Amino acid sequence: QKEVEQNSGPLSVPEGAIASLNCTYSDRGSQSFFWYRQYSGKSPELIMFIYSNGDKEDGRFTAQLNKASQYVSLLIRDSQPSDSATYLCAVRASGGSYIPTFGRGTSLIVHP
Amino acid sequence: GAVVSQHPSWVICKSGTSVKIECRSLDFQATTMFWYRQFPKQSLMLMATSNEGSKATYEQGVEKDKFLINHASLTLSTLTVTSAHPEDSSFYICSARSGLAGGLDTQYFGPGTRLTVL
Repeated sequence: QKEVEQNSGPLSVPEGAIASLNCTYSDRGSQSFFWYRQYSGKSPELIMFIYSNGDKEDGRFTAQLNKASQYVSLLIRDSQPSDSATYLCAVRASGGSYIPTFGRGTSLIVHP
Repeated sequence: GAVVSQHPSWVICKSGTSVKIECRSLDFQATTMFWYRQFPKQSLMLMATSNEGSKATYEQGVEKDKFLINHASLTLSTLTVTSAHPEDSSFYICSARSGLAGGLDTQYFGPGTRLTVL
């Protein structure tokens, strides 16, 4: 069974700090990795995707992928209170079923 | 691009009635749409996957006769909660597969429908 694990948190960081969110997955055949942000009472919003080992940067967000160690992380630089949300990691294998597996999410709180 | 709408955004109904929720991909054709349910402070739970023109595939434990899914076109899927009961009260979220190249071939979520059954 494919599993995606995230620490539920909450992860609390001060405003301006770097928030580091981690995700591990069990399926070595996984090829595509996604980070979604979900505000309370709202639906998930795609932030980033990554499918090559290494780092991918987009503004204040950096996704890091290490397939050998089977983990993907999301770094948020200069964290703002508006970043406070639940961050969902999603992992998808190549071929076969398209359906990604979602983690349970990590709650992030950025305090002023 | 890749915008998904859902209607209604919230609905309150009496126990025993049926409720239809629409999900539309506004600027792309979605061959595959997904329906999720999320209870407060819980994770997303995939209910079913629907492909245009074919029957939906339901996840284990989801009653297909209670949650009717129709994916009649490449831009529209509907979920009907039949004979709704208070335990069906939840946040229902649809998503659509974009089918774009590379990593952009991913799911984009609708804004969700909050269902309250009295």
